[in-house]
Amino acid sequence: RKEVEQDPGPFNVPEGATVAFNCTYSNSASQSFFWYRQDCRKEPKLLMSVYSSGNEDGRFTAQLNRASQYISLLIRDSKLSDSATYLCVVSPWGYKLSFGAGTTVTVRA
Amino acid sequence: DAGVIQSPRHEVTEMGQEVTLRCKPISGHDYLFWYRQTMMRGLELLIYFNNNVPIDDSGMPEDRFSAKMPNASFSTLKIQPSEPRDSAVYFCASSFRDRYEQYFGPGTRLTVT
Repeated sequence: RKEVEQDPGPFNVPEGATVAFNCTYSNSASQSFFWYRQDCRKEPKLLMSVYSSGNEDGRFTAQLNRASQYISLLIRDSKLSDSATYLCVVSPWGYKLSFGAGTTVTVRA
Repeated sequence: DAGVIQSPRHEVTEMGQEVTLRCKPISGHDYLFWYRQTMMRGLELLIYFNNNVPIDDSGMPEDRFSAKMPNASFSTLKIQPSEPRDSAVYFCASSFRDRYEQYFGPGTRLTVT
């Protein structure tokens, strides 16, 4: 079983729409959670950390459900610039991060 | 502030040649990570260092791969001899102690023919 599993998508949404997707993780002892975004042929970039109480950063909202071992990301009022692959990242063992394969989001005009 | 710096950005080499990838972490960061990314396998951790000391190299695919960190501001990943299956994007990342989020360099796109 993979440590982090994501729906690969793609999620194709019109500008202004809301899109949401989840990932699941296997290690219940995991302590740190992140969402990264990766544009085509570029490096992964930290989008936001995910906290137990859930957190919001502008149009982005992240939620953590420890009981069910999943993390979600919601993007409101989608922009063309939100088109990217979103990587779910979990820290099951200290400084080593486990990366999901990514969820592709395409926002169309 | 400068981010993680990697060189070269692109490398094309022939099978059997030695390849050296270079990384300069963000100043003050204590941890340095080397990753490899391919379409088939996604992002894989190869090795990571703490205060210049290798902590976990279990992801290094085989003896042809080696990594060093001679000082806090420089690390190398060497492949000798290179093979076509080593073709991938190699990323270096760094993080600060007590913080788990990592910051990635732009990557080196390696093609072995």
